[in-house]
Amino acid sequence: GAGVSQSPSNKVTEKGKDVELRCDPISGHTALYWYRQSLGQGLEFLIYFQGNSAPDKSGLPSDRFSAERTGGSVSTLTIQRTQQEDSAVYLCASSASAGRETQYFGPGTRLLVL
Amino acid sequence: EDQVTQSPEALRLQEGESSSLNCSYTVSGLRGLFWYRQDPGKGPEFLFTLYSAGEEKEKERLKATLTKKESFLHITAPKPEDSATYLCAVLDTGRRALTFGSGTRLQVQP
Repeated sequence: GAGVSQSPSNKVTEKGKDVELRCDPISGHTALYWYRQSLGQGLEFLIYFQGNSAPDKSGLPSDRFSAERTGGSVSTLTIQRTQQEDSAVYLCASSASAGRETQYFGPGTRLLVL
Repeated sequence: EDQVTQSPEALRLQEGESSSLNCSYTVSGLRGLFWYRQDPGKGPEFLFTLYSAGEEKEKERLKATLTKKESFLHITAPKPEDSATYLCAVLDTGRRALTFGSGTRLQVQP
C-alpha cells in the first residue's frame, strides 16, 4: 500500500517569506508527527497529532511555526517569516495509534531559505 | 531527559566483514527502541522495534538486540547495498515522540 507522502520534495524560498509543507499519512493512521533534520544534526521532534488535535507542540522552535491537521488525515506545517536557520529537511511520520506502534516516515521536504 | 548515543559515528567495512553498531540510551521507562536505515536524500526506513531486554529481531543480514542500557545492530557479512546511515530511537513512557541518536554512517566497500 501507499506510504507517507510529502510535498513539495524541495522548496527554495527567500528569507521572510511564508512556506507551507504538506504531509499525507498512511491511510487509517491516526497519529501523525513532524520532525526536522538539520545538516549534521539528528532528527528533532516538532509536533504530534492524534486525530485532528495536537496534544504535544513542545518541539516547535518558535511561534513562527504552526501546524494543522484536517479530517484526521492530511497535515500542513506552516513556517512564517522564514529565516536561514529554518533550512532543513522536514520529515513527517505516521503510526496506527500513539502507543508503541512504529512510526513510518515520508521522504521529507528539503527547505532552503536564501 | 531522554538521551540516545550511537557509536561509532562512522564505520567502514569490507564486504563480508561483520561488525556491530551500538546504541546506548537513558530513559525514564522504555516503551520501545527502534532502528531505522536512512539513505542519502530519503526518509528513515523502519527496520526493527524492540520492547524488552533480551528481545532479538532479525532481518536478512541484520540482527538487533536489546539490554536495559543499550541495543546492538549486528551486521553479518555485509554487502555494499547495506551502506547507509543507521538511526536508533527510543520511545519513553508518557511521550509520543521518538528521541533519536545522531546515527552511524556505514560504508561497505566491495
